[in-house]
Amino acid sequence: TQLLEQSPQFLSIQEGENLTVYCNSSSVFSSLQWYRQEPGEGPVLLVTVVTGGEVKKLKRLTFQFGDARKDSSLHITAAQPGDTGLYLCAGTPHFNKFYFGSGTKLNVKP
Amino acid sequence: NAGVTQTPKFQVLKTGQSMTLQCAQDMNHNSMYWYRQDPGMGLRLIYYSASEGTTDKGEVPNGYNVSRLNKREFSLRLESAAPSQTSVYFCASSGVFEKLFFGSGTQLSVL
Repeated sequence: TQLLEQSPQFLSIQEGENLTVYCNSSSVFSSLQWYRQEPGEGPVLLVTVVTGGEVKKLKRLTFQFGDARKDSSLHITAAQPGDTGLYLCAGTPHFNKFYFGSGTKLNVKP
Repeated sequence: NAGVTQTPKFQVLKTGQSMTLQCAQDMNHNSMYWYRQDPGMGLRLIYYSASEGTTDKGEVPNGYNVSRLNKREFSLRLESAAPSQTSVYFCASSGVFEKLFFGSGTQLSVL
């Protein structure tokens, strides 16, 4: 079993729809991060959240860190085909030791 | 602007063969990592090194060994490859601000 559970595993939606991806754990994290990965490449960091209850916005993407620092969500508003990719959450229970969730594969159809 | 460089990009091995995956970073980062990525499993931590001279096991260390040769380089060795080690391997590094920088990956097939 992995430290971080992501849901859903797959998501296929039409352009313009909204979606939310969840990242849950029973462990407390000092920080939680979201990465996006394109085929054939390594993941690239989107955002880091460090404070319980924190909300960060990156254009159409909204990231939230749970009050207890055990879970996080990623919400995309008006999804576009360019948002297609694998979204991964990663948590650091200890300084600089990163554990990843299983990933959410998003496909946005034009 | 090399960042994290890992070699080789592709490798095919026969069961029982050995090989070493090389990784180097030019960002003066203290911490380095090896992950494997399998379909539906995200990335799983194999080994990590918090600083030069130290290494620690991650989630799936069995069948692997690592060497932190110096601050720049962190290698991953498979002593006797098994089909279960077929995967995509990523090296990463991080500095003070807890942001991972990844290499472009090594696709390994063990027949």
